[in-house]
Amino acid sequence: AQKITQTQPGMFVQEKEAVTLDCTYDTSDPSYGLFWYKQPSSGEMIFLIYQGSYDQQNATEGRYSLNFQKARKSANLVISASQLGDSAMYFCAMRVMNRDDKIIFGKGTRLHILP
Amino acid sequence: DAGVTQSPTHLIKTRGQHVTLRCSPISGHKSVSWYQQVLGQGPQFIFQYYEKEERGRGNFPDRFSARQFPNYSSELNVNALLLGDSALYLCASRRGQGASGNTIYFGEGSWLTVV
Repeated sequence: AQKITQTQPGMFVQEKEAVTLDCTYDTSDPSYGLFWYKQPSSGEMIFLIYQGSYDQQNATEGRYSLNFQKARKSANLVISASQLGDSAMYFCAMRVMNRDDKIIFGKGTRLHILP
Repeated sequence: DAGVTQSPTHLIKTRGQHVTLRCSPISGHKSVSWYQQVLGQGPQFIFQYYEKEERGRGNFPDRFSARQFPNYSSELNVNALLLGDSALYLCASRRGQGASGNTIYFGEGSWLTVV
């Protein structure tokens, strides 16, 4: 069975500092994709970054990067130079390829950026 | 291009009633999925439709049903509403089935309150 574990229920970070949100996953399928989404209080699930299991390079999207360590089944999100607008709930998620579009989500990490 | 659009954004229903939620995917996206997110949890997969056919179903009762139209828009129907159906319902779209177009984008959601 597939599982996503986010062990940090909440984090407080000073503005402009870098922050790492932890995520570990479990699957026996060799082909999968890993996602990070940001969910502000409005509810919209905003796509941040994607990493495929066969991708050789760690994914980067602007201030977001995904630290993918396949052997450890780890997919941590790194946000550089945090901003007040980064305060939100962050979800790590996984989809097994070549099946349906079912995404398994973790329980999320609530990030608070302090001025 | 417009993102995934959902309607209505908020609604209140009485126990036992029926509700229909609507979703328009991103232009060119043929796969639509539905998720339920109750307060404090990550989203849970309900359905996936691709080319008007159901391709995946989560662990939800038969009171939940959905369909996809020729223009790839989709409806989620819930009959005999229960208090526990109160949640944020998210629609997601992806360009294609299988490995092509792996990124999955979500709409802003429909907040359903059952009283």
